[in-house]
Amino acid sequence: SAVISQKPSRDICQRGTSLTIQCQVDSQVTMMFWYRQQPGQSLTLIATANQGSEATYESGFVIDKFPISRPNLTFSTLTVSNMSPEDSSIYLCSASTSGSNLYGYTFGSGTRLTVV
Amino acid sequence: GQQLNQSPQSMFIQEGEDVSMNCTSSSIFNTWLWYKQDPGEGPVLLIALYKAGELTSNGRLTAQFGITRKDSFLNISASIPSDVGIYFCAGQSNQGGKLIFGQGTELSVKP
Repeated sequence: SAVISQKPSRDICQRGTSLTIQCQVDSQVTMMFWYRQQPGQSLTLIATANQGSEATYESGFVIDKFPISRPNLTFSTLTVSNMSPEDSSIYLCSASTSGSNLYGYTFGSGTRLTVV
Repeated sequence: GQQLNQSPQSMFIQEGEDVSMNCTSSSIFNTWLWYKQDPGEGPVLLIALYKAGELTSNGRLTAQFGITRKDSFLNISASIPSDVGIYFCAGQSNQGGKLIFGQGTELSVKP
């Protein structure tokens, strides 16, 4: 299955600033997704990163707050804009992969963001 | 929107015991996935189920896709300390579509 590298792995940021998270996949993938995992919670989908077109956002998430790029089939970025302490979470990139008998989704290790 | 109810929320068991957790939904899913997440890591896919009634094993793990397509369970046999972590179910309505995650089951194994 594909290997996903995400960076930074963690960061502490001042409120009002923005952070861009990078996601690199070691092979071309069809679908890439961005999730948020708040402390002690499950994963919530932010958006689907579409190659060559605007991302598709889930209810409660907007492009101005979480702009996403996907310039090719192996790379995507998520920016968390104008951060507040409520944005402190783990942000996870995932991609659809196929391999052996498991057609599912692979996740990166996540970016642990703390906003102070 | 679609929701998955995962239970139990947490489990404390003795090494060697078997474990069972399940997910139910009010909606139909065409794929069920089970993940494990260790602290500081992203979820790792354990088992994927694609057909109603399917029973699939991966080592000591066994999972089933419910006949109604609205539920799934995961069994872990003869638990060991490295089984500790948070287990998530996830449902997918169509291939390549987004995943909906359950709330997670936190497993603790006492040696």
